[in-house]
Amino acid sequence: EAQVVESGGGLVQPGRSLTLSCIFSGSSHYSINWVRQAPGKGLEWVGSIRSKGFGGTADYAASVKGRFTVSRDDSKSIAYLQMDSLKIEDTALYYCTGCSGIYPHFDSWGQGTLVTVSS
Amino acid sequence: QSVVTQPPSASGTPGQRVTISCSGSTSNIGSNYVYWYEHLPGTAPKLLIYRNNQRPAGVPDRFSGSKSGTAASLAISGLRSEDEADYYCAVWDDGLSGVVFGGGTKLTVL
Repeated sequence: EAQVVESGGGLVQPGRSLTLSCIFSGSSHYSINWVRQAPGKGLEWVGSIRSKGFGGTADYAASVKGRFTVSRDDSKSIAYLQMDSLKIEDTALYYCTGCSGIYPHFDSWGQGTLVTVSS
Repeated sequence: QSVVTQPPSASGTPGQRVTISCSGSTSNIGSNYVYWYEHLPGTAPKLLIYRNNQRPAGVPDRFSGSKSGTAASLAISGLRSEDEADYYCAVWDDGLSGVVFGGGTKLTVL
Protein backbone atom coordinates (compact mmCIF):
# COMPACT_ATOMS: atom_id res chain seq x y z
CA GLU A 1 0.00 0.00 0.00
CA ALA A 2 1.37 3.38 -0.97
CA GLN A 3 1.64 6.28 1.42
CA VAL A 4 0.92 9.73 0.04
CA VAL A 5 1.42 13.25 1.36
CA GLU A 6 0.22 16.25 -0.59
CA SER A 7 1.26 19.88 -0.31
CA GLY A 8 1.18 23.18 -2.16
CA GLY A 9 -2.29 24.50 -1.44
CA GLY A 10 -3.01 28.13 -0.76
CA LEU A 11 -4.87 31.25 -1.77
CA VAL A 12 -4.75 32.14 -5.46
CA GLN A 13 -6.58 34.66 -7.62
CA PRO A 14 -8.95 33.58 -10.40
CA GLY A 15 -7.17 33.00 -13.68
CA ARG A 16 -3.83 32.27 -12.02
CA SER A 17 -1.98 28.96 -11.67
CA LEU A 18 -1.00 26.73 -8.79
CA THR A 19 0.82 23.40 -8.63
CA LEU A 20 0.15 20.78 -5.98
CA SER A 21 2.68 18.09 -5.10
CA CYS A 22 2.18 14.56 -3.84
CA ILE A 23 5.04 12.55 -2.39
CA PHE A 24 4.29 8.85 -2.66
CA SER A 25 6.07 5.87 -1.24
CA GLY A 26 5.52 2.15 -1.29
CA SER A 27 5.53 1.40 -5.00
CA SER A 28 6.16 3.13 -8.28
CA HIS A 29 3.61 0.81 -9.86
CA TYR A 30 0.68 2.71 -8.41
CA SER A 31 -1.43 5.11 -10.36
CA ILE A 32 -1.68 8.49 -8.64
CA ASN A 33 -4.98 10.29 -8.52
CA TRP A 34 -6.45 13.57 -7.37
CA VAL A 35 -9.86 13.88 -5.75
CA ARG A 36 -11.32 17.10 -4.41
CA GLN A 37 -14.09 18.17 -2.09
CA ALA A 38 -15.52 21.65 -2.41
CA PRO A 39 -16.97 23.25 0.75
CA GLY A 40 -20.25 21.58 1.62
CA LYS A 41 -20.05 19.27 -1.39
CA GLY A 42 -19.21 15.64 -2.05
CA LEU A 43 -16.11 13.98 -3.43
CA GLU A 44 -15.20 14.72 -7.04
CA TRP A 45 -12.56 12.90 -9.06
CA VAL A 46 -10.18 15.36 -10.74
CA GLY A 47 -7.64 13.31 -12.64
CA SER A 48 -5.33 10.30 -12.63
CA ILE A 49 -2.02 9.21 -14.08
CA ARG A 50 -1.14 5.58 -14.61
CA SER A 51 2.20 4.05 -13.77
CA LYS A 52 4.77 3.69 -16.56
CA GLY A 53 4.03 0.00 -16.74
CA PHE A 54 0.51 0.85 -17.80
CA GLY A 55 1.49 3.52 -20.28
CA GLY A 56 1.84 6.50 -17.96
CA THR A 57 -1.27 8.08 -19.49
CA ALA A 58 -3.55 10.53 -17.75
CA ASP A 59 -7.31 11.01 -17.57
CA TYR A 60 -9.24 14.07 -16.44
CA ALA A 61 -12.69 15.05 -15.33
CA ALA A 62 -14.55 17.16 -17.86
CA SER A 63 -14.65 20.07 -15.40
CA VAL A 64 -10.85 20.42 -15.43
CA LYS A 65 -9.81 18.98 -18.80
CA GLY A 66 -7.61 21.44 -20.68
CA ARG A 67 -6.83 23.43 -17.52
CA PHE A 68 -5.29 20.84 -15.16
CA THR A 69 -2.34 18.53 -15.85
CA VAL A 70 -1.30 15.50 -13.82
CA SER A 71 2.30 14.33 -14.04
CA ARG A 72 4.70 12.15 -12.09
CA ASP A 73 8.44 11.76 -11.56
CA ASP A 74 9.01 8.23 -10.32
CA SER A 75 12.73 8.90 -9.75
CA LYS A 76 11.70 11.36 -7.02
CA SER A 77 8.46 9.60 -6.02
CA ILE A 78 6.54 12.82 -6.62
CA ALA A 79 3.37 13.51 -8.55
CA TYR A 80 2.04 16.92 -9.50
CA LEU A 81 -1.27 18.54 -10.23
CA GLN A 82 -0.69 21.68 -12.26
CA MET A 83 -3.78 23.87 -12.18
CA ASP A 84 -4.05 26.67 -14.72
CA SER A 85 -6.80 29.21 -15.38
CA LEU A 86 -8.20 28.62 -11.92
CA LYS A 87 -11.83 29.40 -11.25
CA ILE A 88 -13.64 30.22 -8.03
CA GLU A 89 -15.41 26.87 -8.30
CA ASP A 90 -12.04 25.09 -8.10
CA THR A 91 -11.93 26.03 -4.42
CA ALA A 92 -11.70 22.72 -2.57
CA LEU A 93 -9.70 20.39 -0.39
CA TYR A 94 -7.55 18.39 -2.80
CA TYR A 95 -6.63 14.82 -1.90
CA CYS A 96 -3.86 12.79 -3.49
CA THR A 97 -4.62 9.07 -3.60
CA GLY A 98 -2.75 5.95 -4.57
CA CYS A 99 -4.46 3.23 -6.58
CA SER A 100 -3.21 -0.35 -6.39
CA GLY A 101 -5.70 -1.79 -8.82
CA ILE A 102 -8.06 -0.63 -11.50
CA TYR A 103 -9.78 2.71 -11.09
CA PRO A 104 -11.19 3.71 -8.64
CA HIS A 105 -9.42 1.40 -6.18
CA PHE A 106 -8.09 4.32 -4.12
CA ASP A 107 -6.56 2.53 -1.16
CA SER A 108 -4.28 5.22 0.22
CA TRP A 109 -5.18 8.85 0.81
CA GLY A 110 -3.35 11.93 1.99
CA GLN A 111 -4.86 14.37 4.45
CA GLY A 112 -5.58 16.90 1.73
CA THR A 113 -4.34 20.37 0.87
CA LEU A 114 -6.70 23.34 0.68
CA VAL A 115 -6.91 25.46 -2.46
CA THR A 116 -8.86 28.70 -2.24
CA VAL A 117 -9.51 30.65 -5.42
CA SER A 118 -10.59 34.17 -4.61
CA SER A 119 -9.89 37.74 -5.62
CA GLN B 1 -25.71 16.26 -10.48
CA SER B 2 -23.67 13.08 -10.54
CA VAL B 3 -24.43 10.38 -13.10
CA VAL B 4 -24.45 7.98 -10.16
CA THR B 5 -27.21 8.61 -7.62
CA GLN B 6 -27.26 8.04 -3.87
CA PRO B 7 -29.85 9.08 -1.29
CA PRO B 8 -28.59 12.20 0.52
CA SER B 9 -29.28 10.74 3.95
CA ALA B 10 -29.90 7.53 5.84
CA SER B 11 -30.36 6.74 9.50
CA GLY B 12 -30.66 3.89 11.96
CA THR B 13 -30.43 3.03 15.61
CA PRO B 14 -27.56 1.14 17.23
CA GLY B 15 -27.65 -2.54 16.33
CA GLN B 16 -29.85 -2.04 13.28
CA ARG B 17 -29.00 -2.89 9.69
CA VAL B 18 -29.02 -0.06 7.16
CA THR B 19 -28.60 -0.12 3.41
CA ILE B 20 -27.34 2.66 1.16
CA SER B 21 -28.14 2.46 -2.53
CA CYS B 22 -26.16 3.61 -5.56
CA SER B 23 -27.94 3.82 -8.89
CA GLY B 24 -26.22 4.23 -12.24
CA SER B 25 -26.38 3.08 -15.83
CA THR B 26 -24.96 0.54 -18.27
CA SER B 27 -21.90 2.74 -18.90
CA ASN B 28 -20.81 2.70 -15.27
CA ILE B 29 -22.27 0.34 -12.67
CA GLY B 30 -23.66 -1.96 -15.35
CA SER B 31 -20.21 -2.70 -16.75
CA ASN B 32 -17.63 -1.93 -14.06
CA TYR B 33 -16.77 -2.67 -10.46
CA VAL B 34 -18.27 -0.51 -7.71
CA TYR B 35 -16.24 0.84 -4.81
CA TRP B 36 -17.43 2.31 -1.50
CA TYR B 37 -15.70 4.90 0.68
CA GLU B 38 -16.33 6.07 4.23
CA HIS B 39 -15.55 9.70 4.98
CA LEU B 40 -15.56 11.19 8.45
CA PRO B 41 -15.30 14.98 8.60
CA GLY B 42 -11.75 16.17 9.04
CA THR B 43 -10.21 12.88 8.03
CA ALA B 44 -9.12 11.23 4.80
CA PRO B 45 -11.67 9.03 3.03
CA LYS B 46 -11.24 5.30 3.58
CA LEU B 47 -11.76 2.45 1.12
CA LEU B 48 -14.52 0.28 2.53
CA ILE B 49 -15.51 -2.08 -0.30
CA TYR B 50 -13.74 -2.85 -3.58
CA ARG B 51 -14.79 -4.85 -6.64
CA ASN B 52 -18.46 -4.72 -5.63
CA ASN B 53 -18.24 -6.87 -2.50
CA GLN B 54 -14.64 -7.29 -1.31
CA ARG B 55 -13.43 -5.88 2.00
CA PRO B 56 -9.87 -4.60 2.47
CA ALA B 57 -7.99 -5.96 5.44
CA GLY B 58 -9.17 -4.35 8.65
CA VAL B 59 -12.71 -3.52 7.50
CA PRO B 60 -15.21 -5.32 9.76
CA ASP B 61 -17.52 -7.89 8.20
CA ARG B 62 -20.42 -5.72 9.38
CA PHE B 63 -19.87 -3.91 6.08
CA SER B 64 -20.91 -5.65 2.88
CA GLY B 65 -21.44 -4.65 -0.72
CA SER B 66 -23.52 -6.01 -3.55
CA LYS B 67 -24.34 -5.19 -7.15
CA SER B 68 -27.16 -6.13 -9.47
CA GLY B 69 -27.47 -4.73 -12.97
CA THR B 70 -27.04 -0.96 -12.83
CA ALA B 71 -27.46 -0.65 -9.07
CA ALA B 72 -25.25 -1.34 -6.10
CA SER B 73 -25.72 -1.17 -2.36
CA LEU B 74 -23.74 -0.97 0.84
CA ALA B 75 -25.12 -2.68 3.90
CA ILE B 76 -24.02 -2.00 7.45
CA SER B 77 -25.21 -4.41 10.10
CA GLY B 78 -24.93 -4.06 13.86
CA LEU B 79 -24.89 -0.28 13.47
CA ARG B 80 -22.57 1.61 15.83
CA SER B 81 -22.27 5.28 16.71
CA GLU B 82 -18.83 5.39 15.10
CA ASP B 83 -20.41 4.46 11.74
CA GLU B 84 -21.85 7.97 11.56
CA ALA B 85 -20.13 9.33 8.46
CA ASP B 86 -20.58 10.15 4.79
CA TYR B 87 -20.55 7.18 2.42
CA TYR B 88 -19.73 7.39 -1.27
CA CYS B 89 -19.94 4.91 -4.10
CA ALA B 90 -17.49 5.28 -6.97
CA VAL B 91 -17.18 3.63 -10.34
CA TRP B 92 -15.45 4.04 -13.71
CA ASP B 93 -17.72 5.38 -16.44
CA ASP B 94 -16.92 4.12 -19.94
CA GLY B 95 -18.75 6.96 -21.66
CA LEU B 96 -17.04 9.69 -19.68
CA SER B 97 -13.69 7.83 -19.58
CA GLY B 98 -13.39 8.81 -15.97
CA VAL B 99 -14.27 8.03 -12.38
CA VAL B 100 -17.61 9.13 -11.04
CA PHE B 101 -18.54 9.43 -7.38
CA GLY B 102 -22.07 9.27 -6.13
CA GLY B 103 -23.28 12.39 -4.39
CA GLY B 104 -22.71 10.82 -0.99
CA THR B 105 -25.03 9.62 1.76
CA LYS B 106 -24.85 11.07 5.25
CA LEU B 107 -25.51 8.31 7.75
CA THR B 108 -26.89 9.31 11.12
CA VAL B 109 -26.94 6.91 14.04
CA LEU B 110 -29.91 7.91 16.19
